[in-house]
Amino acid sequence: SAVISQKPSRDICQRGTSLTIQCQVDSQVTMMFWYRQQPGQSLTLIATANQGSEATYESGFVIDKFPISRPNLTFSTLTVSNMSPEDSSIYLCSVVAASSGNTIYFGEGSWLTVV
Amino acid sequence: QKEVEQDPGPLSVPEGAIVSLNCTYSNSAFQYFMWYRQYSRKGPELLMYTYSSGNKEDGRFTAQVDKSSKYISLFIRDSQPSDSATYLCAKTGKLIFGQGTTLQVKP
Repeated sequence: SAVISQKPSRDICQRGTSLTIQCQVDSQVTMMFWYRQQPGQSLTLIATANQGSEATYESGFVIDKFPISRPNLTFSTLTVSNMSPEDSSIYLCSVVAASSGNTIYFGEGSWLTVV
Repeated sequence: QKEVEQDPGPLSVPEGAIVSLNCTYSNSAFQYFMWYRQYSRKGPELLMYTYSSGNKEDGRFTAQVDKSSKYISLFIRDSQPSDSATYLCAKTGKLIFGQGTTLQVKP
């Protein structure tokens, strides 16, 4: 399995500010993803974090709003920029663990409230 | 049409009941299917995954895939109050989730 740590676990942010979420994995993984889960909703894929290159964004998500870094095989960050109340959500990091039959694991999530 | 469709519920059953949770999918490309359980204010936790048609059992949980009808199911036997959670079906390559079904098991 893979143990995923996300920071912060929760935060209350002011409108117009930006917040960076960190995702640390206890082992090297090839694939890392960022998801958003809005209140009462399912998970929506934001982007695939690619090591050493620009992230691959899904339809409806753009780099200016959600810049992502992935400097190595165990770490990634997601920034939520110029936040508005509509960005209040859970942001989840997930990884593919090749050592566990390509199972996909999730972190506990970062709960953001924008006021 | 969404790639993965799931009835959001909520579904309420008495303790000990057999629970059936279902999803349909639209893309027939080879893929894995997964069931996740998410407790309130927690990240999703993988319950089971399968890639072939038929049944896969793990304790009280059985995952079933019918590729001919593009239907995936999760059965929970002898349901317990601790099973109360939201259950999400998903398919790979990129993990695409259904809406999730909220289950409540009443003691």
